[in-house]
Amino acid sequence: NAGVMQNPRHLVRRRGQEARLRCSPMKGHSHVYWYRQLPEEGLKFMVYLQKENIIDESGMPKERFSAEFPKEGPSILRIQQVVRGDSAAYFCASSLDTVSQPQHFGDGTRLSIL
Amino acid sequence: AQKITQTQPGMFVQEKEAVTLDCTYDTSDPSYGLFWYKQPSSGEMIFLIYQGSYDQQNATEGRYSLNFQKARKSANLVISASQLGDSAMYFCAMREGLGSGGYNKLIFGAGTRLAVHP
Repeated sequence: NAGVMQNPRHLVRRRGQEARLRCSPMKGHSHVYWYRQLPEEGLKFMVYLQKENIIDESGMPKERFSAEFPKEGPSILRIQQVVRGDSAAYFCASSLDTVSQPQHFGDGTRLSIL
Repeated sequence: AQKITQTQPGMFVQEKEAVTLDCTYDTSDPSYGLFWYKQPSSGEMIFLIYQGSYDQQNATEGRYSLNFQKARKSANLVISASQLGDSAMYFCAMREGLGSGGYNKLIFGAGTRLAVHP
């Protein structure tokens, strides 16, 4: 499967713990995006990264959330000290370039906070 | 102001009939792209069709076509010959600033839930 790979598919954390969500983009894609989806809502942009660089993090909360896309390995979305309101589906997408190519999405990680 | 508006929270259609899902957008950027995605109950996001703001013709992909009316700022998705497997949430999304290679984020609408009845 050459698609965008996200893991885990489901993640359960207790309040105050850390959540780490992983995303491997499609082969050859160097642009990665993270989105959050609350129940019955559309996806909301969080952050856009290229290899080793954060390009746009305008949609990411200033505290507790961070993202990286290292030279080697998957992109990681990290949520520290999770709270109930962090419960959502987190989607990663990748694209070939920034002009006319569609973003291809992974299957998402469903994060549940107890 | 909403950038992407999908006014139909839910739609019903009979199998084999055509259905139109509405999407209006708001941007002052002359260069933008419009996308439709399908989200079945299993949760994944499936890319359906793309329309660029400078494209002269309406986009088509199999049973999907995009009714692009630039002056009205609408980009409605038309699904012909509906199938039971088309039952899903459908999201319209926009990307601005394509010409400058600028922002690449997608802005999504709230979605329309389509139910196809046998």
